[in-house]
Parts: sequence; C-alpha cells; structure tokens
Amino acid sequence: EVQLVESGGTLVQPGGSLRLCCTASGFTFSNLWMSWFRQAPGKGLEWVANIKQDGTDIHYVDSVRDRFTISRDNAKNSLYLQMDSLRVEDTALYYCAGGGGWLVDSWGQGTLVTVSS
Amino acid sequence: EIVLTQSPGTLSLSPGERATLSCRASQSVGRNFVAWYQQKPGQAPRLLIYGASRRATGIPDKFSGSGSGTDFTLTINRLEPEDFAVYYCQQYADAPLTFGGGTKVEVK
Repeated sequence: EVQLVESGGTLVQPGGSLRLCCTASGFTFSNLWMSWFRQAPGKGLEWVANIKQDGTDIHYVDSVRDRFTISRDNAKNSLYLQMDSLRVEDTALYYCAGGGGWLVDSWGQGTLVTVSS
Repeated sequence: EIVLTQSPGTLSLSPGERATLSCRASQSVGRNFVAWYQQKPGQAPRLLIYGASRRATGIPDKFSGSGSGTDFTLTINRLEPEDFAVYYCQQYADAPLTFGGGTKVEVK
C-alpha cells in the first residue's frame, strides 16, 4: 500500500524557518517525481515545488522561489521542504505527493504550517 | 502561467442527477495534460481523471472526462451521497502546475 506521511508542521513566527519531511513506503520512491502542494485554510489547492527522481530537475512556484528548497534522499525514501523567510501567507496544510511524471496520483494527509506572531 | 477557470463555483443537485463541471484554460494545455481531483472535507485530494479523459485506477465509470485544447469537462453520472465534494481541475503540462478554483457539488 502506497503511504506518504508528512511531518514537521508547526507554529512559526514570520521570518522564521521550518523543514518539512515526507516519508514514503509501499512503492519504489526513487522511481517517482515528487511534489509539495499546499492548501490555505478554506482555500483551493496550490502546487509549491517538484523534484525529479534523481534530484537533477527542480521547479518552484514563483511565490516561494528563493525562499523554499525541495530535496530528496532516495536511500531514506524521504522528501524534504526547507522553508525560510516564512510569511503569514505561507500558512497552509502542506501535502507531499508523487506520481509518474508531473501527474500526481498519491497524496499524504498533510502537515499544518502556521505562520503567525 | 496557464490559468484554469472552473465553473460553476457551486452546483446544487439531487442524488441520482448528473453533474457537469467545466474547466477552461487561458491557453492550450499541451498533450491535454489535464487532471481532475475530488476532495472531501478533512481529506487529501483523490485523482479521478488524467490526460483529460483517462480514469485513474479504481475510479468507477460514472466519472468521465472529456475535452481538449482549452476546454475540459468532468461528468459525474447518477450522483450518490459520497460524490458530493469539491472537484478541482489541474494542468500538469507546464510549470507552474496550476489548479482551477474548484467546483463544489452540494446536495440540493
């Protein structure tokens, strides 16, 4: 059974940093593109970033470029999102997701990041 | 950036009826790489349709997708209680990947 479990979400002050982690099981993690998505409270879905199987190709939405860094460790079946210079508008439920190519067919349950003073 | 516009914002229907959801792109979506997701309260999104018209694994044939270029449609036949949810279209052809604003299918 495919399972993606996110962790690391918490309350952080504006300007602070946070590192999210996603641990995968039930499939060959190194075969898939992986992504982070987010959903602000009561709002729609937003793609944040994705990373190729070997980490050599990475893309970001403009609003997080230069502040967030996506990475992966295939030996640990883990995906990461380093978030720096956090803003109030980054408050959201962050989902880890993966699939063949850029299509996502497996999602975690999300980890909540709250940016507030 | 490809902007996706979903309509209507809310669809009020009765169980047994058919739902027709629209998704319009600001420019042609390459290879018709459009997906539809269903999301229920407190749950992660669930992939229903990809490539505009291909059902994902385990999705019943009451769900169907159609369209090409800039206009895409999700049809849900014979609505059942578990189908009342929010539906999002997404394009995964070009970065940034983008979603429509969602259509809420609610019980009339």
